[in-house]
Amino acid sequence: SQTIHQWPATLVQPVGSPLSLECTVEGTSNPNLYWYRQAAGRGLQLLFYSVGIGQISSEVPQNLSASRPQDRQFILSSKKLLLSDSGFYLCAWQGTYNEKLFFGSGTQLSVL
Amino acid sequence: DAKTTQPNSMESNEEEPVHLPCNHSTISGTDYIHWYRQLPSQGPEYVIHGLTSNVNNRMASLAIAEDRKSSTLILHRATLRDAAVYYCIPGRPSTGGGNKLTFGTGTQLKVEL
Repeated sequence: SQTIHQWPATLVQPVGSPLSLECTVEGTSNPNLYWYRQAAGRGLQLLFYSVGIGQISSEVPQNLSASRPQDRQFILSSKKLLLSDSGFYLCAWQGTYNEKLFFGSGTQLSVL
Repeated sequence: DAKTTQPNSMESNEEEPVHLPCNHSTISGTDYIHWYRQLPSQGPEYVIHGLTSNVNNRMASLAIAEDRKSSTLILHRATLRDAAVYYCIPGRPSTGGGNKLTFGTGTQLKVEL
């Protein structure tokens, strides 16, 4: 069966510090991968998606970047965090011929 | 992307049916209608999706209006574990691959004993 792992669950970082969030998927190959962010009390905002290794599409201009160094690994990064980067970050995967999105358990990021 | 309108919140009693409405009057002819739900502090969970015909699965039923401008998610017997935010999302696979779904603010369903 397929599983998605996302870590850490919570993270507190000072303004100006770097960020690296990792997401890995097991049990499937060539998944579509997504990073979403949810601000407190708001809906989910799609940040990046990837349909293959090294292929990244950015949905909104921001202080973040994404990379996909391996087929089932998706990384969200920032060189210098801003207060506005705080939120609940969610990774999701989707099979090539499957409409469904499967989400990880999320990372609650607080930038202070 | 098609815009959606959902009630901010709804309440139900346990063991009663719940009908969660969604208006998507600008939906395109090839958009599927997806429903997801999100429990507190968790990622969203797929519930159901459909194109034109009504759909049923073990979690819920989806009733789609004939003109496809609205749909209703039906939980046949609400339980306390169904308390969540429910998102209605029109969307279709993009030509570049992937299926970018835009989540709005959804409907907060509260279930009481």
